[in-house]
Amino acid sequence: ILNVEQSPQSLHVQEGDSTNFTCSFPSSNFYALHWYRWETAKSPEALFVMTLNGDEKKKGRISATLNTKEGYSYLYIKGSQPEDSATYLCAFGFQGGKLIFGQGTELSVKP
Amino acid sequence: GAVVSQHPSWVICKSGTSVKIECRSLDFQATTMFWYRQFPKQSLMLMATSNEGSKATYEQGVEKDKFLINHASLTLSTLTVTSAHPEDSSFYICSARDLVSATSSLYQETQYFGPGTRLLVL
Repeated sequence: ILNVEQSPQSLHVQEGDSTNFTCSFPSSNFYALHWYRWETAKSPEALFVMTLNGDEKKKGRISATLNTKEGYSYLYIKGSQPEDSATYLCAFGFQGGKLIFGQGTELSVKP
Repeated sequence: GAVVSQHPSWVICKSGTSVKIECRSLDFQATTMFWYRQFPKQSLMLMATSNEGSKATYEQGVEKDKFLINHASLTLSTLTVTSAHPEDSSFYICSARDLVSATSSLYQETQYFGPGTRLLVL
């Protein structure tokens, strides 16, 4: 069974802090790695789809890196704001669209 | 753009009844939609892949006769939980791939999610 692990499970930071979390996945037969941001009572919002080893993507203060050879991706948030509070999900993607999700990292940013 | 709606957002039903959940892509066409469920403290788990005009593909351990999926148009997929029992109580969420994006090398893998449906079977 393919396993996607995210750490930490939860994170509490102060406004202005920069933070990062990890997504680990099998390094064999890699196709794509997805990152989503999920606020309570809303739809998960697609952040990044990463396909190439060494890829680095950025969206505002959020960026992500990908290492397919060792099977991990990092998500970074620079200067966290209260509105960044959400659960961040990563998912291992297969050709055809099937996604295997990690359990998520719950981020809480205090003003 | 790329909005997916789900209806209802929550439902409470008696054991033995059937419940239908709708997933609609509002501003794009989706040849493929996916249905997931999430039990408390667990990750989103894919139940089935729904392709417009054809039979759904179910993941191992998901009963196709219990979870009926219909994808009759490019903007609507439905999941019917038949003869629901308390153990079917869960959070059900759908996602859709944009038909146009699916043919674009840049965005072909992005999936857009609905807000989910919470089902409680008494």
